[in-house]
Amino acid sequence: GESVGLHLPTLSVQEGDNSIINCAYSNSASDYFIWYKQESGKGPQFIIDIRSNMDKRQGQRVTVLLNKTVKHLSLQIAATQPGDSAVYFCAETPNTGFQKLVFGTGTRLLVSP
Amino acid sequence: DTEVTQTPKHLVMGMTNKKSLKCEQHMGHRAMYWYKQKAKKPPELMFVYSYEKLSINESVPSRFSPECPNSSLLNLHLHALQPEDSALYLCASSQGEYGRGRETQYFGPGTRLLVL
Repeated sequence: GESVGLHLPTLSVQEGDNSIINCAYSNSASDYFIWYKQESGKGPQFIIDIRSNMDKRQGQRVTVLLNKTVKHLSLQIAATQPGDSAVYFCAETPNTGFQKLVFGTGTRLLVSP
Repeated sequence: DTEVTQTPKHLVMGMTNKKSLKCEQHMGHRAMYWYKQKAKKPPELMFVYSYEKLSINESVPSRFSPECPNSSLLNLHLHALQPEDSALYLCASSQGEYGRGRETQYFGPGTRLLVL
């Protein structure tokens, strides 16, 4: 079936570094992509989204890049802080059945002071 | 305000018990969702209510019974659960429409359930 996967299960960075979390998706009908951050003991928190007609979108300290040619999504976090330590999930949804989010397996980001 | 609230935060129940999980949002969202999340795994969709009607049931066992009393509330009734049902149960809501970010789902903090 369709799946959304991540290249790295754990990413360790130093405080102040830039972090890049990658995600591959396989559904070419995917139209809308979301990155969520989940801290320990909490629910997923919306970070940023991007639609398939865009290839880049920026937020506060975060940038999402979408490469539809290779079905690849990435989340860039600038000047990573200890508070960024969490599990990050990418999720995608097609334009039909949009209520069915398909989550990736998640990447744990560990930020050392 | 993108807050979804869930009660209780923690729940311990026996296999013969009946309990309910509650979820509430006041964002005017018309779609509400139940997810199950096991440790170190992504959330798995269980049910979707759209405009107070059950629109998606992901083949969830009947020991889980969802209810949507109104557009702001979502319940999950639990009966005769098994130990393998122990997990974090997440509620989410969205505007219920497609496009312009209206399909973005916002999650509550979850209820951590332990079935003994």
